[in-house]
Amino acid sequence: ILNVEQSPQSLHVQEGDSTNFTCSFPSSNFYALHWYRWETAKSPEALFVMTLNGDEKKKGRISATLNTKEGYSYLYIKGSQPEDSATYLCALMYNNNDMRFGAGTRLTVKP
Amino acid sequence: NAGVTQTPKFRILKIGQSMTLQCTQDMNHNYMYWYRQDPGMGLKLIYYSVGAGITDKGEVPNGYNVSRSTTEDFPLRLELAAPSQTSVYFCASSYLHPAGIYNEQFFGPGTRLTVL
Repeated sequence: ILNVEQSPQSLHVQEGDSTNFTCSFPSSNFYALHWYRWETAKSPEALFVMTLNGDEKKKGRISATLNTKEGYSYLYIKGSQPEDSATYLCALMYNNNDMRFGAGTRLTVKP
Repeated sequence: NAGVTQTPKFRILKIGQSMTLQCTQDMNHNYMYWYRQDPGMGLKLIYYSVGAGITDKGEVPNGYNVSRSTTEDFPLRLELAAPSQTSVYFCASSYLHPAGIYNEQFFGPGTRLTVL
């Protein structure tokens, strides 16, 4: 089981900008890929669970894609708002039920 | 539903002391997890359980023990606290349907532990 990498580590954007960040992983031997949103002083909350190559998920202004062959997932935020400021975590559930999280991308949206 | 609850919220331990972090979920989830979160390091899996009576080591299990006697409860035990165990601990649960449909994890509010 290898590490999950997220980039960039942090990101500052202006309100209204669209942005995206990356989760990369070296192996396709996993059961599901998760995206979580983690606000300061709160607990992580699930955004998406993705299981298939080519899977796409959308929730409001946030969407995600998964490419298992190339080993990455993208999270997109359209028209960022200050309330989108949070750390976005990517995690892989491997076939043996082990879960590995990336270190996250900290997003700050300036009004 | 209360979701996932953790107690205590905060605790200070002396080196060598022991304690149990409690975790309970009322969603009838079969999977439960314990993570620790160190600054800049993301979440590291300590132990997990796929059902009552079944537990497995995660990425960083040394210094910890768990048990899963019921579906609802998944306590984490620290036997001999060390400064390296100073961290924020999160419990989480999820449901894997018998048909293989896997759902997201729900996290508890966390326990902040300091070992001095």
